Amino acid sequence: GQQVMQIPQYQHVQEGEDFTTYCNSSTTLSNIQWYKQRPGGHPVFLIQLVKSGEVKKQKRLTFQFGEAKKNSSLHITATQTTDVGTYFCAGLTSGTYKYIFGTGTRLKVLA
Amino acid sequence: NAGVTQTPKFQVLKTGQSMTLQCAQDMNHEYMSWYRQDPGMGLRLIHYSVGAGITDQGEVPNGYNVSRSTTEDFPLRLLSAAPSQTSVYFCASSYRGQGPSTFGSGTRLTVV
Repeated sequence: GQQVMQIPQYQHVQEGEDFTTYCNSSTTLSNIQWYKQRPGGHPVFLIQLVKSGEVKKQKRLTFQFGEAKKNSSLHITATQTTDVGTYFCAGLTSGTYKYIFGTGTRLKVLA
Repeated sequence: NAGVTQTPKFQVLKTGQSMTLQCAQDMNHEYMSWYRQDPGMGLRLIHYSVGAGITDQGEVPNGYNVSRSTTEDFPLRLLSAAPSQTSVYFCASSYRGQGPSTFGSGTRLTVV
């Protein structure tokens, strides 16, 4: 079945440093979504990427979808303490309606 | 406020008991799904629905049933609770063609 892996599993950064998490799928994806989950909270939708090679930006966050549509990345520039949480990707395999979540990257930001 | 409403927020069950987790949305979203999240883990898809009357299995469907008689409601039934079903359950909804865009606040279930 479809598997979606994320690396790293954990990341501790000093406030102001950059952060990147990578998402890799075992199958080609129709689209990919990114989410943020604060401790004790529910996932919050950040963005959807659909096109091969697509790049989208939201303030300090940059999202990229790979050319082969099997991988994606989320880059945060100049992290802030408000960026703390776990970041998940979720991919949709072509021909299905199953959105499979990645394993997540837990980000800690040290002030 | 518009969104996804899950009830109850907390539940303790004894092994073998059955119960229904409720999920309702008021955004006229076609797509609804149930996920479980174990401590320190990602979300695993249990069941999903692309519209009223249509449901399908996700990654971990065993021990759970769903139905979708209306667009708004998507209840999840635990048939005979087991300790392995101790988890936090999230319901989510979205327009078809989008990934889950709105999540409920979750139901924290403990099976003893």
